[in-house]
Amino acid sequence: GAVVSQHPSWVICKSGTSVKIECRSLDFQATTMFWYRQFPKQSLMLMATSNEGSKATYEQGVEKDKFLINHASLTLSTLTVTSAHPEDSSFYICSATIREPYEQYFGPGTRLTVT
Amino acid sequence: GQNIDQPTEMTATEGAIVQINCTYQTSGFNGLFWYQQHAGEAPTFLSYNVLDGLEEKGRFSSFLSRSKGYSYLLLKELQMKDSASYLCAVLLNDYKLSFGAGTTVTVRA
Repeated sequence: GAVVSQHPSWVICKSGTSVKIECRSLDFQATTMFWYRQFPKQSLMLMATSNEGSKATYEQGVEKDKFLINHASLTLSTLTVTSAHPEDSSFYICSATIREPYEQYFGPGTRLTVT
Repeated sequence: GQNIDQPTEMTATEGAIVQINCTYQTSGFNGLFWYQQHAGEAPTFLSYNVLDGLEEKGRFSSFLSRSKGYSYLLLKELQMKDSASYLCAVLLNDYKLSFGAGTTVTVRA
C-alpha cells in the first residue's frame, strides 16, 4: 500500500513553454502533498506544501507564479512549471502523507530537461 | 535556517559495516528519518527515530540522541546493491522534512 505515482517520468521541453507534472496517491487519500526539487548530487529541497482544496504554501525563494500547484482532490496534485528555462531543469519529486503526517511516501520523480 | 550535516562520501568493502553520521541543529524536531536513494530514483524509507536509542531492522540500524542532536545509520553485511545515497532528514514542527545533503556510499567487491 501507500503508492505514489508521477507522470511523466521524464520530459524534455523548449525554453518558454510550460510543463505539467502530476502526482497521484494510488491507494490512499493524501491529506497533504509536498513538492521537492533535486539538482544533481544535491539533496531534496522542499518547494511547496499542498493541501486539497486550499492554496499551496511555498518555501522562501520559490516563485509561486512560476511553479503553479493545484491540489484538485485528495489523490491528485499537479505542478506546472510555467515559461520554463534551462535553469529549471531538475528532478522533481512529490510526496504524500496520510492521516499521520510524519510519514511521507515519495513518488518516483520526474526528470525535466529544458532546452 | 536548518542545519543538517552528514559526510559527502563513504567507501566500504562488500560484507563490511559502515556507519553514516548525521548531526542536526533545527528550529524544531518531531523525529528523524533515514532514506535510501539510488541515482535517478525517489527516496525510499529506511527508518524513523523519535525517541533516543537504537532501532534495528534487519541489516540496517538507526540511532538517535536528541540531547546531542545526533543520529547514525548503521549498515551491516554490506552488499553491492547498498551502493546509493543515504539521506538524513529531520521532521520539523510543521511536519515538513528538512534534508541533509546526502552521503554517497560506494560498496567495493
